[in-house]
Amino acid sequence: DVKVTQSSRYLVKRTGEKVFLECVQDMDHENMFWYRQDPGLGLRLIYFSYDVKMKEKGDIPEGYSVSREKKERFSLILESASTNQTSMYLCASSLSAATDTQYFGPGTRLTVL
Amino acid sequence: QKEVEQDPGPLSVPEGAIVSLNCTYSNSAFQYFMWYRQYSRKGPELLMYTYSSGNKEDGRFTAQVDKSSKYISLFIRDSQPSDSATYLCAMTPSGSARQLTFGSGTQLTVLP
Repeated sequence: DVKVTQSSRYLVKRTGEKVFLECVQDMDHENMFWYRQDPGLGLRLIYFSYDVKMKEKGDIPEGYSVSREKKERFSLILESASTNQTSMYLCASSLSAATDTQYFGPGTRLTVL
Repeated sequence: QKEVEQDPGPLSVPEGAIVSLNCTYSNSAFQYFMWYRQYSRKGPELLMYTYSSGNKEDGRFTAQVDKSSKYISLFIRDSQPSDSATYLCAMTPSGSARQLTFGSGTQLTVLP
């Protein structure tokens, strides 16, 4: 069974803090994704990585960066958290870039005060 | 106007009812259509995956795509309390997860 884990289920940070969200997958998947999920807006892609050290911007990358130093781990970084980054963050991984192989983690609910 | 529109609900039905969930879209380039189920405090899981127009059935679930009307549906027969979840539609022109566009989700509750 594919397992995608995220480091925290709930996180509360203050405006201006640097925030790290960690995602780990245990199935040797090439592709990893970070989404945010907001009411009324669905899931929106922040960043995508198709290999170690390789990344591609998604639809809403502003205010975020990512790091993929090892195949199994994909980190999302909020350089200076702002209140409009309060959201549910979902990590996903997939064997190929095809949608039918994508598996999601349980999500991190981030609140920025 | 959003590319993918989905009625957020909430939708409550009695156990055993037939449920119909729908999405409309504006981008005629979409070719691959998906339905995800998301339980409370969990990530989405892929439920149905279809290409182009037509129907696809899997147990109690049927996905229907009408590209001429830019309209997709998910039908759940003999609904169960365990079907209570948020259902998200998603679509892409290429089959690539890099180009997925999601609907906002419909919250469904099946009452015992």
